[in-house]
Parts: sequence; structure tokens; C-alpha cells
Amino acid sequence: AQTVTQSQPEMSVQEAETVTLSCTYDTSESDYYLFWYKQPPSRQMILVIRQEAYKQQNATENRFSVNFQKAAKSFSLKISDSQLGDAAMYFCAYRIMNRDDKIIFGKGTRLHILP
Amino acid sequence: NAGVMQNPRHLVRRRGQEARLRCSPMKGHSHVYWYRQLPEEGLKFMVYLQKENIIDESGMPKERFSAEFPKEGPSILRIQQVVRGDSAAYFCASFRSISEKLFFGSGTQLSVL
Repeated sequence: AQTVTQSQPEMSVQEAETVTLSCTYDTSESDYYLFWYKQPPSRQMILVIRQEAYKQQNATENRFSVNFQKAAKSFSLKISDSQLGDAAMYFCAYRIMNRDDKIIFGKGTRLHILP
Repeated sequence: NAGVMQNPRHLVRRRGQEARLRCSPMKGHSHVYWYRQLPEEGLKFMVYLQKENIIDESGMPKERFSAEFPKEGPSILRIQQVVRGDSAAYFCASFRSISEKLFFGSGTQLSVL
């Protein structure tokens, strides 16, 4: 069965600094998607970034980038130039490609931004 | 194009009552997931629906819980005879196809007194 593990329940970073959130997953599939979602206090789930497993190039969205290591089954999120608005719960998630199936979420990492 | 609409935003029920949670997917979306989130925890999969079909209900308790997504109208998650342990935020998410982006609703916070 597929699993997603986020080993850091909480993290803090100084405003304007860089922080990396860790995520590992377990799967026997070769084609899949990986996601990072942000959940601010409003509770809305916001897609931060998506990575297709067949792509070697790491996905990037402005200040957000990932380090995707397929062999190691690792998918970390780097936030550069952290801003107060980045404070939220961050969830790593996985879904098989090309097949009707669910998205599996990790337990989340709560990120605090220190002014 | 309105986003995924969930209502009510907050729902209070007494033990033993029924809770009905509604999810209107985005226009053109025929796939819906329901997830449950307990405080300070991740989202737990409950059920995956397509129009008039249950694709995967492996995450849904076999008793008291049911879900539907009719040809017309919203998807409904129904919890009968609620207990305190059902208190949680329930999220739905919709998408057009598995290769396309998933859109989440704002969730329904169910509180059981």
C-alpha cells in the first residue's frame, strides 16, 4: 500500500530565510503524481506545486521548489524568502497516474514564520 | 466559474441525529473525493465518486456513513446517528479527469454535542 510520511510535525523559519520541508513516500508504482498543499488557518486547501514522476526536472513555482529524488522516494519542498503569509500547514500527497484512485496525504508539517 | 462549494460551512448536531453534508463540484467536473480531517491531522480518504458511481469507498466506515453523487445535483455525504467521534472537518474535492488539477472546497466543520 502507498504511504506518505512527513517526519517534521512543526518547523519554524525566520522571515526572508529559506526552509525545507521533508516528505518520503512508499509505492511500487512507476507513474504517479506528487503534490504539496498548503492549508492556512482559513482551512482552504491550496495546491502549491505538482510533480509528475516521469519528469526528471524538479518543479518550481516562484519561491517554491521541490527536490524530487525518485530512487530515494523523497519529495522535499523548499520555500525561499519566507513570508509571513507562508505560515500554514503543509501537506505532501501522492496519487497514481493513469488510473482512478485516491490521493494519499501525509500528516502535515506546521510551518511558523518568525518576524 | 465558481469553485467547489460545500455547505453548510458549520454544522452542529446532537448525538443520534443525522448529518448531511453537500458538495457542489466545479462545472464540468464529474469526479469527487471526500476526506475527513481531525484537528492537527492530515486528510483521511473516505470515498471516491463519479456521477452515479462509487469508485472507492474503502475509507468510509461501513456503518452509519453513506455517500452519493447523482446525475444531477450535489454530492452528499450522509452520517446517520452521529457520535462525538464524528466531529471533524469534512472536505470534498472535484476534478475533471485524473490528469487534471484537483479543486478543494472550504470544508464543513461538523460538531457533535
